[in-house]
Amino acid sequence: EAGVTQFPSHSVIEKGQTVTLRCDPISGHDNLYWYRRVMGKEIKFLLHFVKESKQDESGMPNNRFLAERTGGTYSTLKVQPAELEDSGVYFCASSQARTSGYTFGSGTRLTVV
Amino acid sequence: RKEVEQDPGPFNVPEGATVAFNCTYSNSASQSFFWYRQDCRKEPKLLMSVYSSGNEDGRFTAQLNRASQYISLLIRDSKLSDSATYLCVVILIYNQGGKLIFGQGTELSVKP
Repeated sequence: EAGVTQFPSHSVIEKGQTVTLRCDPISGHDNLYWYRRVMGKEIKFLLHFVKESKQDESGMPNNRFLAERTGGTYSTLKVQPAELEDSGVYFCASSQARTSGYTFGSGTRLTVV
Repeated sequence: RKEVEQDPGPFNVPEGATVAFNCTYSNSASQSFFWYRQDCRKEPKLLMSVYSSGNEDGRFTAQLNRASQYISLLIRDSKLSDSATYLCVVILIYNQGGKLIFGQGTELSVKP
């Protein structure tokens, strides 16, 4: 079974630019989540999709962040325009059920300079 | 107060030592509990689920006390390969949504 795949693994962009992160969940997993870890802090929830619907986006920091999951398969997370404080590791996870163990992708390390 | 709090690390122990990690959570509505392991610059990986009855997987034993809102992880006979950051994680379920809440992690370093 293929795991959760994230692309790119690393991204270095300048402040003000746009970056789009992609996540391919495990096939058949309706639940898809985005998390973020900034330097020195714990991993924090950003949002939760069930299929193509956003169930909870309470963790999204501000309106510079836009997540989509068209067709209920892969998801994208766009940051526009990027700011320095957006630097961190963005993890995607998927699960079959909301209470079951989640599988994480290897993350995208975003550096905004 | 953080939603999930763990022992501040790092823990530096010799091979063969027994080490215990503690974790408390603040939301009594938390429904599922896990320990994840995260190696340097890697993604978190599920180590084990945690149940009130306690569960054991080889050298690892996890315990949940719902009344005290406390979770523990015991590692016996620690190996060099156990060196990693251990994350205490709870799941909050509400309406149709759900999310993992992470502790800040406790770093373990096992030395020869």
